[in-house]
This record gives sequence, C-alpha cells and structure tokens, in this order.
Amino acid sequence: AQTVTQSQPEMSVQEAETVTLSCTYDTSESDYYLFWYKQPPSRQMILVIRQEAYKQQNATENRFSVNFQKAAKSFSLKISDSQLGDAAMYFCAYRTLNAGGTSYGKLTFGQGTILTVHP
Amino acid sequence: EAQVTQNPRYLITVTGKKLTVTCSQNMNHEYMSWYRQDPGLGLRQIYYSMNVEVTDKGDVPEGYKVSRKEKRNFPLILESPSPNQTSLYFCASRTTSGAYNSPLHFGNGTRLTVT
Repeated sequence: AQTVTQSQPEMSVQEAETVTLSCTYDTSESDYYLFWYKQPPSRQMILVIRQEAYKQQNATENRFSVNFQKAAKSFSLKISDSQLGDAAMYFCAYRTLNAGGTSYGKLTFGQGTILTVHP
Repeated sequence: EAQVTQNPRYLITVTGKKLTVTCSQNMNHEYMSWYRQDPGLGLRQIYYSMNVEVTDKGDVPEGYKVSRKEKRNFPLILESPSPNQTSLYFCASRTTSGAYNSPLHFGNGTRLTVT
C-alpha cells in the first residue's frame, strides 16, 4: 500500500518570501499522480497543483511550483511571493494510475502541514 | 455552478443515534467517495462508489454504510455512532471519463461530534 509522509507539522513564512513544503511517498508503482491540496480555515479542499509521474517536467501554477524527484520519491511544494491568503493547511496526496483494483481513484493523503504567513 | 453539496455542515449527536450525512453532486460524475479527516492522520477514505449500485470499502469502513441508488447522491450512514467517529467528513466526486488525471471535487465538509 502507498504511504505519504509530510514531516513538517507546521511551517511559517514572511509575506513576500518563499517557502517549501516537503512531501515524500512510498510506492512500488511506476505511474501515478501526485497532488497538493490547500485547506483554508473555511475547510474547503482546494486543488493547488498536480503532477503526473511520467512527466519529467515539474508542474507550475502561477506562484506555486513543485520539485518532483521520482527516484527519491519526493514531491515538495514551493510557494513564491507568499501572501496572507496562502495561510492554510496543505496536504500532499498520491493517486494510483491503475484503473482496476480496490485502490482505484483513492487519494492517499499525508498528515498535512499548517502554513502560517506573517505580515 | 458545479459543486458537491454536503449536509449538514455541523452535527452533534449522542452515541447510538442513527444519522445520515447527505452528499449530492451536479456534475454527472461517476465516481464518488467519502473521507474522514483527523488531526495528524490527514484524510482517509471510508467508502467509494464507481457508479450507481457499485460501492466498495476504503481504508476505514468500520461503523459506516453507504448507498448509491442515484448517480448524483451518495449518503453516508452511521447506524450506531460512537465517540471515535467524531471527525470532519468530506464527500468528493470526479469523472472517470475523459482526462484520467481529473481531480477530485470536494464538498465543504461536515463536522460531526458524537457524545
């Protein structure tokens, strides 16, 4: 079974600075998807960015980018020019590519990292 | 507006009193799923459904039931709630046609407290 580990329970950053959130995962599969979700105090789960494992190029969405290291099974999220609205819980998640089996469609989540942004 | 709607948003109940959390999506998604979120554990899958009348257990199904009689609805049933089911619950859905990496769309969560 796949596991996802976020080793930083809490992180903080100054407004306009850059912060990196860590995520590692364990899998025996070669193809899969990785996601970062943001959960603000409103509890809403918001997709931040996604990465297909077969793509070598790191995904980027505006101020958000990932550093995907497939061999190391690492998937960190970098937030540039941090804003107050970035304050939230961030979850890293894994999803299998396989269409069949009991794990179809399931997202396996990490424990989450609380990000605080200081003005 | 495309959305997943969960109700209620907050629920306080007592041990043993049956309850249902409703979930409805208006995106014609085939796949629906329930998760619970607990501190330090992230989100864990309870049950999922590939389509109407097709459901299966996730990682933590004990104490829960689901049904999928219609494509849009996927209620979560707690027949005899216990305090260890106090948690934040999310319903989610996604399409299984088209782009295979289609993301999960989440509802706004239901905060359940069982005393």
